[in-house]
Amino acid sequence: QVQLVQSGAEVVKPGASVKVSCKASGYTFNTYGISWLRQAPGQGLEWLGWISPYNGNTNYAQKLQGRVTMTTDTSTSTAYMDLRSLRSDDTAVYYCARVGDVFDSWGQGTLVTVSS
Amino acid sequence: DIQMSQSPSSLSASVGDSVTITCRASQDIGISLAWYQQRPGKAPKSLIYAASSLHSGVPSKFSGSGSGTDFTLTISSLQPEDFATYYCQQYNTYPPTFGQGTKVEIK
Repeated sequence: QVQLVQSGAEVVKPGASVKVSCKASGYTFNTYGISWLRQAPGQGLEWLGWISPYNGNTNYAQKLQGRVTMTTDTSTSTAYMDLRSLRSDDTAVYYCARVGDVFDSWGQGTLVTVSS
Repeated sequence: DIQMSQSPSSLSASVGDSVTITCRASQDIGISLAWYQQRPGKAPKSLIYAASSLHSGVPSKFSGSGSGTDFTLTISSLQPEDFATYYCQQYNTYPPTFGQGTKVEIK
């Protein structure tokens, strides 16, 4: 079955960077896009961007342009999201999701806490 | 960006009840509408895509309808595991956007 397994929780200082991984299994990795989303404490869902493992094409949310980079490693079926210049309002649970038409399978989430 | 609004923001219901959640888009999105269920502390789970098509493995107690700007999710015969937060999401136009969520609580 399709499974997305994310890396563990992170505590980072303001201004630092974080890299979250998402390892896929149960399907052919480069045939579906991967999106990253986040959910701040007690809040709703926010889409951050998308990457095609097939050709590396990306599409980022405008509010994160310049701070986020999404990559994939097809040899290990793993997607990565790198977020830089972190601020307190970046504190959230970050999810990866497989993209068919919709977000049809999700990782378990990675809590990123930005705190000094 | 397309704005998605859900109503109500929360509702209380009893086991066995049926409930309906409404989602409205700020512009015509055709049937490019999905619904997700999120239980506390868990990742969202896909329920419905294309406004009314059930995701594989989702029980038929969940049903979706609508097109254009107005959509509904109906859950029949509520069971304890159905008490969760439900989100609608449009995928007609980038960026994909979500409603603010509807929390279904036990009365």
